[in-house]
Amino acid sequence: AQSVAQPEDQVNVAEGNPLTVKCTYSVSGNPYLFWYVQYPNRGLQFLLKYITGDNLVKGSYGFEAEFNKSQTSFHLKKPSALVSDSALYFCAVRGYRDDKIIFGKGTRLHILP
Amino acid sequence: EAQVTQNPRYLITVTGKKLTVTCSQNMNHEYMSWYRQDPGLGLRQIYYSMNVEVTDKGDVPEGYKVSRKEKRNFPLILESPSPNQTSLYFCASSSRVAGTDTQYFGPGTRLTVL
Repeated sequence: AQSVAQPEDQVNVAEGNPLTVKCTYSVSGNPYLFWYVQYPNRGLQFLLKYITGDNLVKGSYGFEAEFNKSQTSFHLKKPSALVSDSALYFCAVRGYRDDKIIFGKGTRLHILP
Repeated sequence: EAQVTQNPRYLITVTGKKLTVTCSQNMNHEYMSWYRQDPGLGLRQIYYSMNVEVTDKGDVPEGYKVSRKEKRNFPLILESPSPNQTSLYFCASSSRVAGTDTQYFGPGTRLTVL
C-alpha cells in the first residue's frame, strides 16, 4: 500500500538559513512525488513535482527537492529561508499504476525573523 | 482564468440534514478528487474520479457519495451528516496527460455539523 511520512510536525528555521522539510514514501513501482504549500486560510498550491528524469527538481518560490530512490525520500529544500515561507507543507505520492493520491500529514514551517 | 470553484465556502448544518458541496473546474481535467483536512491527519482522499461516470473510493469514503455526470462537475453529497464529518473539504482536479499530473485545488469548504 502507498504511504507518505513527514516525520516532523513543525520545523523552525531562522530567516536567511537553509531549510529542509523531510518526506519519505512507499509505493509499488515508480513514484510520482509532489510538494504542495498551504498558506493560512487558503487552499493548497503546487510547488514542484518529480515524475522522471533529473533527481533534483526545482519549483516555485526558490524551492527544490531531491528524489533519492535508495532512501525513498523526497526532501524539500531552500538555500535561504524567508519569513514569507512560513506555511504548512504537504508531500504527496502516487504510484505509477495507481489512481489514488496519498498525502502526508503536513509539516508546519516557521521562519523566524 | 483556470480555476476550481467550490460552493458553499462555509456551511453549518445539523445532524441528518442532507447536503451537497459543489465543485467545478474549467480546465477540462479528467481527474477530480475530494479531500478532507483534519488537524494532525493531513489531507485524506474521500473519492476520486478518473473521468465522466467513473468514480472510486479513496481512503475515507464512509458517509459520502459523489457523482460525475459532466466532466467539469464533481459534487460531494452527505446524505446524513454526522458531527465526525465536521472538517475542511477540498476539491481538486488534474490532467493525467504525461508530464502533468499537477493538482489544482479549490479554496475549501469549511463544514460544521452540529
